[in-house]
Amino acid sequence: QVNLLQSGAALVKPGASVKLSCKASGYTFTDYYIHWVKQSHGKSLEWIGYINPNSGYTNYNEKFKSKATLTVDKSTNTAYMELSRLTSEDSATYYCTGVYYGLGDWFAYWGQGTLVTVSS
Amino acid sequence: DIQMTQSPSSMSASLGDTVTITCLASQDIGNYLSWYQQKPGKSPKLMIYGATNLEDGVPSRFSGSRSGSDYSLTINSLGYDDEGIYHCHQYYEYPLTFGSGTKLEIK
Repeated sequence: QVNLLQSGAALVKPGASVKLSCKASGYTFTDYYIHWVKQSHGKSLEWIGYINPNSGYTNYNEKFKSKATLTVDKSTNTAYMELSRLTSEDSATYYCTGVYYGLGDWFAYWGQGTLVTVSS
Repeated sequence: DIQMTQSPSSMSASLGDTVTITCLASQDIGNYLSWYQQKPGKSPKLMIYGATNLEDGVPSRFSGSRSGSDYSLTINSLGYDDEGIYHCHQYYEYPLTFGSGTKLEIK
């Protein structure tokens, strides 16, 4: 079954960058697109973007284009999201989700989330 | 961007009640809508996709419907396990967007 294991919580200073990971197992890595979702204040969800692990093609929410960079490492079945120039507004829980290629973009599979806290 | 206006933002209901949560889409999204349940400290869980399709393993007490641009999630025979935050999500076009969430409390 699809399993997505995310990296642990991160405490980072304002202005710094952080790279989150999402390790996939239980399926063929290139069969699922990886989407990333931000949850602030424990309630509202925002879509950041997705990456096609096979081609490396990315599609970003315009709001996060200068904030997030999505990459994959096919040799380790791991997707990454780097967040740059962090501010307090970036403090949130970030989720990776898997969407089967060819299906609609509903999110059946989620990682456990990574809490990012931006503080000096 | 497509706005998803979700209501109510919070609600309280009793065991055995039937509740309905609604999302209004700012433009046509066809049936490209899903619903998620989220428990404290946990990832969202897919409940409904394609506006009306029940995800495998989700109790039949949950159902989704559509009336024009209004999409609803109905939960029958409420149980304590139904407490949590419910999110709607449109995947008709990018950027994908979510409703603001509904916090459901069981009295």
